[in-house]
Amino acid sequence: QQQVKQSPQSLIVQKGGISIINCAYENTAFDYFPWYQQFPGKGPALLIAIRPDVSEKKEGRFTISFNKSAKQFSLHIMDSQPGDSATYFCAASIVGSNYKLTFGKGTLLTVNP
Amino acid sequence: ETGVTQSPTHLIKTRGQQVTLRCSSQSGHNTVSWYQQALGQGPQFIFQYYREEENGRGNFPPRFSGLQFPNYSSELNVNALELDDSALYLCASRRGGATDTQYFGPGTRLTVL
Repeated sequence: QQQVKQSPQSLIVQKGGISIINCAYENTAFDYFPWYQQFPGKGPALLIAIRPDVSEKKEGRFTISFNKSAKQFSLHIMDSQPGDSATYFCAASIVGSNYKLTFGKGTLLTVNP
Repeated sequence: ETGVTQSPTHLIKTRGQQVTLRCSSQSGHNTVSWYQQALGQGPQFIFQYYREEENGRGNFPPRFSGLQFPNYSSELNVNALELDDSALYLCASRRGGATDTQYFGPGTRLTVL
């Protein structure tokens, strides 16, 4: 049972373009939605996170859009750079469950120069 | 770089053997979680320790066990290794309480032959 579905599996974007990665969740009890970035040979690093009481959160070039009624959230990377090339994971958790993270399967982003 | 460290970096074992992986949490963090990341997949929650007690477990068999020590460092033990146990094992620490951010270590790459 996959509780967090992530798409696309891979994404190729030109430098300066916008990268968009989407996630959908099933469990309406989820109330914390982080995005992680992972480079080869490294552990995941938190990029940005959102709680369901807001519909959008922006930090620098990274924006999360959240649609509670559709049970969907997405990551937008503006002005994508070759250094952004990595695997991105969405995740979800329930605050009352001690923040156990349920991850999507990941999106491999390649930003061409 | 987070303050979470893991050892060893890589490990090769054979089927049926036992393995112990170690994690030092970030300073001030009293909650440690372990995740298994198979190749090309998102991390999957194994269990979590808070103040030396297990307080959450994912869908993993009892041969996966753990410990947390008074300094909040942690061990993951896996008995009777199977080929499917080959994965990157990630440790994540959190300050605890209402703090939601989890910081991941670089992981231990376990190969079971």
